[in-house]
Amino acid sequence: GAGVSQTPSNKVTEKGKYVELRCDPISGHTALYWYRQSLGQGPEFLIYFQGTGAADDSGLPNDRFFAVRPEGSVSTLKIQRTERGDSAVYLCASSPAPGQSNYGYTFGSGTRLTVV
Amino acid sequence: SQELEQSPQSLIVQEGKNLTINCTSSKTLYGLYWYKQKYGEGLIFLMMLQKGGEEKSHEKITAKLDEKKQQSSLHITASQPSHAGIYLCGADIPGSQGNLIFGKGTKLSVKP
Repeated sequence: GAGVSQTPSNKVTEKGKYVELRCDPISGHTALYWYRQSLGQGPEFLIYFQGTGAADDSGLPNDRFFAVRPEGSVSTLKIQRTERGDSAVYLCASSPAPGQSNYGYTFGSGTRLTVV
Repeated sequence: SQELEQSPQSLIVQEGKNLTINCTSSKTLYGLYWYKQKYGEGLIFLMMLQKGGEEKSHEKITAKLDEKKQQSSLHITASQPSHAGIYLCGADIPGSQGNLIFGKGTKLSVKP
């Protein structure tokens, strides 16, 4: 696609429920990143994929968070037993290859998750 | 760990005025990115700086990286309402595979 697509754009869920957030990167981009942005803060790194594998998941806050990218394109961020503190905007970014990008990393519009 | 501090946190300027936003790093910067974000939207890439003393411009926005590579500034000339938004600086984390750390952002409002 022309850009990074994230769905849904908004998600409201009840505390304790399971949610899935989807990211469709730019076609051909091998590197995919998930970030979380809380109100008034900059994005914080969660996990990075190179192809199908999670090359760095050091930013995942705990084992309730999990992400997959089974075919090396679309990625899904999964959150189990959601808590109110999980409420944030979840951003996805992609780049042609890992490492420095002279053209920046292309970000999606994000999924605004609200846990009530 | 590396931290990025942005100043000011927020800024209100009259249309047509110039302004500067700063980004200071606790460690040497190896890749510094400026992004713009509007509410409900993703981050829009503005510029990327790597070399000490480097300066890049796009339309009315100029970004500089100091010689010591620990501070960057973003300067907007003759601001317009379309410049309003949140400006974020992000930096490459040495040894990582492209993970960025970000400052908290500077919220810019431009009064017509």
